[in-house]
Amino acid sequence: GQQVQQSPASLVLQEGENAELQCNFSSTATQLQWFYQSPGGSLVSLLSNPSGTKHTGRLTSTTVTKERRSSLHISSSQTTDSGTYLCAIDRSGSWQLIFGSGTQLTVMP
Amino acid sequence: DMKVTQMPRYLIKRMGENVLLECGQDMSHETMYWYRQDPGLGLQLIYISYDVDSNSEGDIPKGYRVSRKKREHFSLILDSAKTNQTSVYFCASSYRGGQNTLYFGAGTRLSVL
Repeated sequence: GQQVQQSPASLVLQEGENAELQCNFSSTATQLQWFYQSPGGSLVSLLSNPSGTKHTGRLTSTTVTKERRSSLHISSSQTTDSGTYLCAIDRSGSWQLIFGSGTQLTVMP
Repeated sequence: DMKVTQMPRYLIKRMGENVLLECGQDMSHETMYWYRQDPGLGLQLIYISYDVDSNSEGDIPKGYRVSRKKREHFSLILDSAKTNQTSVYFCASSYRGGQNTLYFGAGTRLSVL
């Protein structure tokens, strides 16, 4: 079945540095969403990017569908960016989103 | 107001007791989901509901059942809870199909002793 692998599992940065998060998936997807989960909190959708490049604020996502990978770039990281970033794709032919295990980002002051 | 509300937020039950987790949304979303989240396993889909009385199993439905009698309300039921059902449970909703955003509730932290 569809699998989602995220890397790195954890990442520690100094404030102001850029972060690059990766998501690889095992078969083609028509939906791809990136989510943010605050420590001990709920999930918030950051952006939906099934193909191409999309920007919102300090976030840039690039998805190469035929290579089954997506990245999330966070520029000029802030301490408030700390948390877990999850990638989710759809199970083919359905609206069921399958999640990766996430990248835990820690931004130090 | 675009909100998914989960009740209760925290719950402690004994093994063998029945558990009811409730979820409501105010966006008239057709599709609703129940996930559980465990350390190292990410979010796992338990059930998905496409509309009233139109529910499908996800990846880990065993030990759970759901009820959706109104579009805005989706319940997760654990009959005779087990200790391995200790987890954080998230409800989510979205419009049907396409690239529609999932909106998540705050989660219910369930401990089964």
